[in-house]
Amino acid sequence: QKEVEQNSGPLSVPEGAIASLNCTYSDRGSQSFFWYRQYSGKSPELIMSIYSNGDKEDGRFTAQLNKASQYVSLLIRDSQPSDSATYLCATEGGGSYIPTFGRGTSLIVHP
Amino acid sequence: DAGITQSPRHKVTETGTPVTLRCHQTENHRYMYWYRQDPGHGLRLIHYSYGVKDTDKGEVSDGYSVSRSKTEDFLLTLESATSSQTSVYFCAISDGGINYGYTFGSGTRLTVV
Repeated sequence: QKEVEQNSGPLSVPEGAIASLNCTYSDRGSQSFFWYRQYSGKSPELIMSIYSNGDKEDGRFTAQLNKASQYVSLLIRDSQPSDSATYLCATEGGGSYIPTFGRGTSLIVHP
Repeated sequence: DAGITQSPRHKVTETGTPVTLRCHQTENHRYMYWYRQDPGHGLRLIHYSYGVKDTDKGEVSDGYSVSRSKTEDFLLTLESATSSQTSVYFCAISDGGINYGYTFGSGTRLTVV
């Protein structure tokens, strides 16, 4: 069974700090990786996708992928209170277009 | 969310009654999905569709059925609602393109009493 593991948190960081969110996955066939942000009572929103080993940067967000170690991470620089949300990691393999989601990590950014 | 709408947004129903949730998209995306989200379980796939009249089961499909007679509509039916089906239901779509991801609807909060 395909599994995506995330620490449920909460991860608490001060405003302006770097928040580091991690995710491991079991399916070595995974080829596509996604990070979603979900505010309380709202639907998940795609913030980053990554397909190749290494780093991918988009504004204050950096996704990091290491397929050999089967982990993907999300760094949020200059964290803001508005970043407080649950972050979901998702993987998908081999063009199946059936993603597997982790249970999410709760992030709290305090002023 | 833009291009994908779910209805109703909230529903309270009685145990044993059938319930149908609707997902409508205007993006002409091929893939559509139904998830439920419960505390401690995260998002769990109920059913998905990869085209008109092409559907398949997800990990928690028991007690649910789906239909997709048009590209834009994906219906989820709870054949005989139970209290264990109280949940938030999300529809998602994907086009499977180069920069694909999954876009979620706003969700339906279903309570079975």
